[in-house]
Amino acid sequence: AQTVTQSQPEMSVQEAETVTLSCTYDTSESNYYLFWYKQPPSRQMILVIRQEAYKQQNATENRFSVNFQKAAKSFSLKISDSQLGDTAMYFCAFMKHGAGNTPLVFGKGTRLSVIA
Amino acid sequence: DGGITQSPKYLFRKEGQNVTLSCEQNLNHDAMYWYRQDPGQGLRLIYYSQIVNDFQKGDIAEGYSVSREKKESFPLTVTSAQKNPTAFYLCASNEGGFEKLFFGSGTQLSVL
Repeated sequence: AQTVTQSQPEMSVQEAETVTLSCTYDTSESNYYLFWYKQPPSRQMILVIRQEAYKQQNATENRFSVNFQKAAKSFSLKISDSQLGDTAMYFCAFMKHGAGNTPLVFGKGTRLSVIA
Repeated sequence: DGGITQSPKYLFRKEGQNVTLSCEQNLNHDAMYWYRQDPGQGLRLIYYSQIVNDFQKGDIAEGYSVSREKKESFPLTVTSAQKNPTAFYLCASNEGGFEKLFFGSGTQLSVL
């Protein structure tokens, strides 16, 4: 079974600064997908960024980027130029690649507070 | 607009009562999922369905039941056997693989 670990329950960052959220996972699969989801106070889940394990190039989406280290099974999220609207819970998630649809496995989340 | 609709937004359960949470999607997705969210626990999988008339247990299926009679609907029943039902419940769907998961807005279930 796959597991996802987020070791930072809470973090804070000053507005306009950069912050990195950690995520490690455990799997015996060689092909899989990794995701970061954001859950603001509204509790609506929003996809932030996703990475295919077979791609060595790290994914980027505007101010969000990842550092994917496959050998170390690490998938950290970097948020640059932090904004007040980035305040949210952030969940790292793993999906096994295979025939059909497989569920996402989520970490326990990191609560990020952006301070003005 | 396509999306997932969960209802009700808030639900209260009395002791010994079964309650059903609704989840409807008009995205034509084959796969649908139910997750439970508790503070500090992340999202844990209750049940999922890859196709109509078929579903599988997730990690915490005890005390819950589901049905998938129509592609667009995946209701979750919280039975009286679930002794700690207070949580936020999220329904989701996708086309699988690298396609993102679409989430509903959730149902907060509390015990009276």
